[in-house]
Amino acid sequence: AQKITQTQPGMFVQEKEAVTLDCTYDTSDPSYGLFWYKQPSSGEMIFLIYQGSYDQQNATEGRYSLNFQKARKSANLVISASQLGDSAMYFCAMRGPDDYKLSFGAGTTVTVRA
Amino acid sequence: EAGVAQSPRYKIIEKRQSVAFWCNPISGHATLYWYQQILGQGPKLLIQFQNNGVVDDSQLPKDRFSAERLKGVDSTLKIQPAKLEDSAVYLCASSPWTGNEQYFGPGTRLTVT
Repeated sequence: AQKITQTQPGMFVQEKEAVTLDCTYDTSDPSYGLFWYKQPSSGEMIFLIYQGSYDQQNATEGRYSLNFQKARKSANLVISASQLGDSAMYFCAMRGPDDYKLSFGAGTTVTVRA
Repeated sequence: EAGVAQSPRYKIIEKRQSVAFWCNPISGHATLYWYQQILGQGPKLLIQFQNNGVVDDSQLPKDRFSAERLKGVDSTLKIQPAKLEDSAVYLCASSPWTGNEQYFGPGTRLTVT
């Protein structure tokens, strides 16, 4: 069984600063994928970044980067130069090798202060 | 390219009533997912379709929930009869094939009173 844990229910960050959102996962499969999604108050889930378990380098997408530590089973999201529009709920999710299903964590609410 | 469309955006019903949600995936996407997101939690997969066939409905409460995807395009999710614990946001997502990134719609917020 796959399990995703996000231990930070809410975080505040000052505009233009960086913020790290924690995500740990549990799986016995050697092949898996890790995702981060953003959910603003409008409700839509927006894909941010993906990391495959065999990827040698940490994934980056613009201001988003994923700090992948396989041995520790963690996949933390780093948002650099925070903007007011980054205020939202952020979800970490995992997919197994033969499993199309995404298993989501409970999410972390980020509030960016001006 | 148009995104995943869902309707209605909001619905309020009384318990024991019926309700239906509609989803139109991104054109050409073979896979369609319905998720239930209870307030304060991450989404939970209810059912997955590959074209017009069901791939997984293991977490769908089949005594009250049903879903169909006729012709392998749009899909309808129905609840009959609704319970208070069904209050949630129902998200539809689609992807070109299983395993790819999923694109989500805006969701339908259901309140059961």
